Amino acid sequence: NAGVTQTPKFRVLKTGQSMTLLCAQDMNHEYMYWYRQDPGMGLRLIHYSVGEGTTAKGEVPDGYNVSRLKKQNFLLGLESAAPSQTSVYFCASSKTGHNEQFFGPGTRLTVL
Amino acid sequence: DAKTTQPTSMDCAEGRAANLPCNHSTISGNEYVYWYRQIHSQGPQYIIHGLKNNETNEMASLIITEDRKSSTLILPHATLRDTAVYYCIVRVDLLRKLVFGKGTKLTVNP
Repeated sequence: NAGVTQTPKFRVLKTGQSMTLLCAQDMNHEYMYWYRQDPGMGLRLIHYSVGEGTTAKGEVPDGYNVSRLKKQNFLLGLESAAPSQTSVYFCASSKTGHNEQFFGPGTRLTVL
Repeated sequence: DAKTTQPTSMDCAEGRAANLPCNHSTISGNEYVYWYRQIHSQGPQYIIHGLKNNETNEMASLIITEDRKSSTLILPHATLRDTAVYYCIVRVDLLRKLVFGKGTKLTVNP
């Protein structure tokens, strides 16, 4: 039981490049989330999903897109990366909306 | 979601109890109090949550005041591995979002 895994762990992009971050969970959770964390700040919710095929905007959705084609995977896409998107990205999942969330180890992204 | 206020930082001696306060004076009747922690560079970890009654699990105890305007997370015997940022979060159970503030940086000293 690996829990929540994230791929890749580190990535450096140039401004304007695109990339996709992959989150996978093996706990059969319905809910999945993407957060970003910037230095000195708490986590901010980007997008979330309450089930396969559904997505919704969080607190800071601009510049990101997401997809939940399979229940166990939640993808976060950056179509045209900007330096302001340099951050650590965390994925999380939960069984229901009010159960505890389980977090992945994070992806450290730098946009030059 | 109700706003929470936590001290920026706290220190605790190893082996002693760590008591982390959280003020949530605008909490409404159906909002839960959640506590998470984040050890340096790792993903946040769930600790405990409660609505009205005090709660205890293998990690910690949560004491919620009778008027629910504040709560205290208690780590009964702090260890060096408990050094982390602790987040107090108030959330309505029907919403699916956790709103993290800046948390309390707890340092456990030998």
